[in-house]
Amino acid sequence: DAGVIQSPRHEVTEMGQEVTLRCKPISGHDYLFWYRQTMMRGLELLIYFNNNVPIDDSGMPEDRFSAKMPNASFSTLKIQPSEPRDSAVYFCASSFGQLGYGYTFGSGTRLTVV
Amino acid sequence: GENVEQHPSTLSVQEGDSAVIKCTYSDSASNYFPWYKQELGKGPQLIIDIRSNVGEKKDQRIAVTLNKTAKHFSLHITETQPEDSAVYFCAASTDSWGKLQFGAGTQVVVTP
Repeated sequence: DAGVIQSPRHEVTEMGQEVTLRCKPISGHDYLFWYRQTMMRGLELLIYFNNNVPIDDSGMPEDRFSAKMPNASFSTLKIQPSEPRDSAVYFCASSFGQLGYGYTFGSGTRLTVV
Repeated sequence: GENVEQHPSTLSVQEGDSAVIKCTYSDSASNYFPWYKQELGKGPQLIIDIRSNVGEKKDQRIAVTLNKTAKHFSLHITETQPEDSAVYFCAASTDSWGKLQFGAGTQVVVTP
């Protein structure tokens, strides 16, 4: 398996623009997580899905952030409009079975909003 | 919710020496404790984990110990090598709560 695949690897955008981050989980995994990593706040869970259904989005910072999982092999995280404080590395992770066990992370998307 | 504290934030060791990273957690119901290694430009990778019914687990040069009474767990790396240089994260979760709560990370630097 190719692992969790994220795209793009790097994204530079201007403040106010829409940004869409993409994730392909490992085939057969039934949980998908979106994390944000910054120096100040470390790894923060934004939202997670189970069998394509959003279960907990309490970590989404504000209404500018939205996430979807239209099918078992694809998820998106959208920021609209983007702001400089959204600059971070965004990770997608997936796992199978009991929640919390055996996460596999993607390589991340480094987002810079100027 | 769960709160995980990790120390130290940075750790410099000579090649061949041991490294120890310690974490404490707040929720006594936590029963799963993984450790992740993150190399520059990559996502965190699971290196070892332990469940609450086990006090110690070892995999080659790495080992994890758990003290449920004191609510702390530790990662031990023996005979460190330059490729062990990375950021290490501890985490904790419960079966019911489920989500992993990560520590702030430890930057480990192994000098030749």
